[in-house]
Amino acid sequence: EVQLVESGGGLVQPGGSLRLSCAASGFTFSSYWMSWVRQAPGKGLEWVANIKQDGSEKYYVDSVKGRFTISRDNAKNSLYLQMNSLRAEDTAVYYCASNPRYCSGGSCYSWFDPWGQGTLVTVSS
Amino acid sequence: EIVLTQSPGTLSLSPGERATLSCRASQSVSSSYLAWYQQKPGQAPRLLIYGASSRATGIPDRFSGSGSGTDFTLTISRLEPEDFAVYYCQQYGSSRSWTFGQGTKVEIK
Repeated sequence: EVQLVESGGGLVQPGGSLRLSCAASGFTFSSYWMSWVRQAPGKGLEWVANIKQDGSEKYYVDSVKGRFTISRDNAKNSLYLQMNSLRAEDTAVYYCASNPRYCSGGSCYSWFDPWGQGTLVTVSS
Repeated sequence: EIVLTQSPGTLSLSPGERATLSCRASQSVSSSYLAWYQQKPGQAPRLLIYGASSRATGIPDRFSGSGSGTDFTLTISRLEPEDFAVYYCQQYGSSRSWTFGQGTKVEIK
């Protein structure tokens, strides 16, 4: 069964740090781009960051650049998100998602599937 | 940065009715990178449509996607009780970033 399981969420004070983990199973983790997506309480989805299969390319939404770092360990089938200088507006459920990409007939396609169940990060004093 | 605007914000319909959800981009986007997701309360999003019109594995054929350029549509031909949820469109841009629309809630009338 293809599965992604996040962990590491919790309550942290403003300015603090937290490291999220995402454990993958049931598919060849090292073959896929991976992403983090967050959802503030009662709000919509926001892409946070993604990372290439070998970790050589990483991209971030502007609001977390310089504060968050995405990384992966293919030997451990794991994805990580190091979050520093946390702010109240970072409060959200954080999901990891596989980001398959393939090209056919001159066009390339990509999407997010599967998703983990999410881990809640609350930034509050 | 490309902005995706979904309409309507809320759609009130009865089971068996047809639902038409719109996703409009602030500039032209590649259809191959346009996806739709369904999210139910307390659950992670689920992929419905990728490449603007291809159904994901296991998605019933009452779900269909269409569109190109700046205008995309998700249609649910006959609403089943389990289809009442929030739906998001998503696109991948030239800046190597992903964006989501703000969502459309399909609620029972």
